[in-house]
Amino acid sequence: AQSVTQLGSHVSVSEGALVLLRCNYSSSVPPYLFWYVQYPNQGLQLLLKYTSAATLVKGINGFEAEFKKSETSFHLTKPSAHMSDAAEYFCAVSDRGAAGNKLTFGGGTRVLVKP
Amino acid sequence: NAGVTQTPKFQVLKTGQSMTLQCAQDMNHNSMYWYRQDPGMGLRLIYYSASEGTTDKGEVPNGYNVSRLNKREFSLRLESAAPSQTSVYFCASSEGGTALYEQYFGPGTRLTVT
Repeated sequence: AQSVTQLGSHVSVSEGALVLLRCNYSSSVPPYLFWYVQYPNQGLQLLLKYTSAATLVKGINGFEAEFKKSETSFHLTKPSAHMSDAAEYFCAVSDRGAAGNKLTFGGGTRVLVKP
Repeated sequence: NAGVTQTPKFQVLKTGQSMTLQCAQDMNHNSMYWYRQDPGMGLRLIYYSASEGTTDKGEVPNGYNVSRLNKREFSLRLESAAPSQTSVYFCASSEGGTALYEQYFGPGTRLTVT
């Protein structure tokens, strides 16, 4: 079964600093990979996804993620944090070709942005 | 266009009581999902419905039942609630049944079982 590990349940960054959230997956076959964001008291919203082709994926709100097969990683970055980036971020995977659109989520990383 | 709506927003149950969580989407999506969110565990899939008339178990189906009432609505039932079912429940929908289709999430139902 797929598993997803997010390193660090909480991350604190200063406004304007780099945001780096780590995600590693376990699969011998590269899966589809996703990053979702959850603002307080809301549902999840898709930030970006990797399905094939380009390994550097750009998403909404200035976020991007790079798929590295050799490291089985899909880390999320943003060059300059804004106060509005304070939220919880989830990495998720889905098996290619598997029946059903079933996502496996990591445990989440809560981001605090300091002024 | 409301997207995915869920009712109720909050619910407190006593152990052994039953209840149904309602979910509806107005995007004409074919697939719908129920997840539960627990601290440190991300979201885990309870049940999903790839299309109207079909339902399948996800990762944590025990203690739950679902009904795909029509293309718009997908309900989750707890027949005999237990404290371990205290969680935040999210419904989601997608246009298609593969990972190429984005899942859209509702705002969630916070359930406490005492």
